[in-house]
Amino acid sequence: GENVEQHPSTLSVQEGDSAVIKCTYSDSASNYFPWYKQELGKGPQLIIDIRSNVGEKKDQRIAVTLNKTAKHFSLHITETQPEDSAVYFCAAIANTGFQKLVFGTGTRLLVSP
Amino acid sequence: EPEVTQTPSHQVTQMGQEVILRCVPISNHLYFYWYRQILGQKVEFLVSFYNNEISEKSEIFDDQFSVERPDGSNFTLKIRSTKLEDSAMYFCASGDSGEIGETQYFGPGTRLLVL
Repeated sequence: GENVEQHPSTLSVQEGDSAVIKCTYSDSASNYFPWYKQELGKGPQLIIDIRSNVGEKKDQRIAVTLNKTAKHFSLHITETQPEDSAVYFCAAIANTGFQKLVFGTGTRLLVSP
Repeated sequence: EPEVTQTPSHQVTQMGQEVILRCVPISNHLYFYWYRQILGQKVEFLVSFYNNEISEKSEIFDDQFSVERPDGSNFTLKIRSTKLEDSAMYFCASGDSGEIGETQYFGPGTRLLVL
């Protein structure tokens, strides 16, 4: 089955810096890769996603890149702000017919003012 | 904005007891999921549910677990005889299409502690 690895486990940056979180996946059949943000006391919330037919997607300060050959994808946050501080999870979905998300281990991002 | 709600937020139980975790998915959604996260570990898929039946389940979801949609709004996860290793955060999620790229909306979770 699918396995998703995520690095780093913690990431500390200064406000205004960029942050990059990387994930690798094992199942070449996976074709959808969402990123979730989890704030304290809340469930994971989708922030951006990418499908396997696209190499990059941007939404304001957030971008995701996908390298299908290498089976890795990354989240890029530019001009970080303190409110970006949270745990970020990458995930992958294999084409099993139903939406079984396989999550990475999470990255705790801390943005210091 | 519609959201998934879960009750209770915290549950403490004794080993061997039955627990029922409750979820109210977003009202027009048809696809429902349970995930769990053991402290310090990954969020793991447990089960998906559509049209009043389980569509997929993981190896974690053994005979001690069951899911039900008892009425038009609630979606429950029952653990019949809890074990210490069932202690985790349990997340309910719902989606409207079941298709690739569907956004799954997660609830805030129920933290279950089995003593």
